[in-house]
Amino acid sequence: TQLLEQSPQFLSIQEGENLTVYCNSSSVFSSLQWYRQEPGEGPVLLVTVVTGGEVKKLKRLTFQFGDARKDSSLHITAAQTGDTGLYLCAGARGTDKLIFGTGTRLQVFP
Amino acid sequence: ETGVTQTPRHLVMGMTNKKSLKCEQHLGHNAMYWYKQSAKKPLELMFVYSLEERVENNSVPSRFSPECPNSSHLFLHLHTLQPEDSALYLCASSQEAQRRYNEQFFGPGTRLTVL
Repeated sequence: TQLLEQSPQFLSIQEGENLTVYCNSSSVFSSLQWYRQEPGEGPVLLVTVVTGGEVKKLKRLTFQFGDARKDSSLHITAAQTGDTGLYLCAGARGTDKLIFGTGTRLQVFP
Repeated sequence: ETGVTQTPRHLVMGMTNKKSLKCEQHLGHNAMYWYKQSAKKPLELMFVYSLEERVENNSVPSRFSPECPNSSHLFLHLHTLQPEDSALYLCASSQEAQRRYNEQFFGPGTRLTVL
């Protein structure tokens, strides 16, 4: 069974702090996506990374795809309360279904 | 309406009831999905429809019955559910031609409680 493990499971920090969320697997993926889900809503796509070693930036969020395309990280600089939510990574293998990670629940306090 | 919409947003039903969840996508996509999201479990894919044909049924019990009358609409018919079926049911859509990346757009979900 393909599994995407995310760590940490829960993260509670204050505004202004930096954080990193990890997404790890023993499987190789052709692409990897990150989603954010806020309470009462569905996941919203943040970014897709497709090349090993690729780094993408979205304002204060930096996404990296591992060289071997088995893992990814999400780094948030100077977290804000609006960053609060459930962060999900999801791996795709060609045209196969998406495999979703276990999720990281982030709470940012003012 | 824009994006992916789902109705109802909340549903409480007894184990003997029959109800349906509705999903509509306004993105011009041609693939639609049903997922189940339970506490402490990763998102579970239930069904995939591509070009209105079911291409995946992920070992889902027969008490869940999907229907895709056209590329914009997806239903999930529910009957004789169990309390453990209580969860957030999410609908998503994507563009078949871009399945290499399989980027999916989700609706807000239906929070289902089975008593």
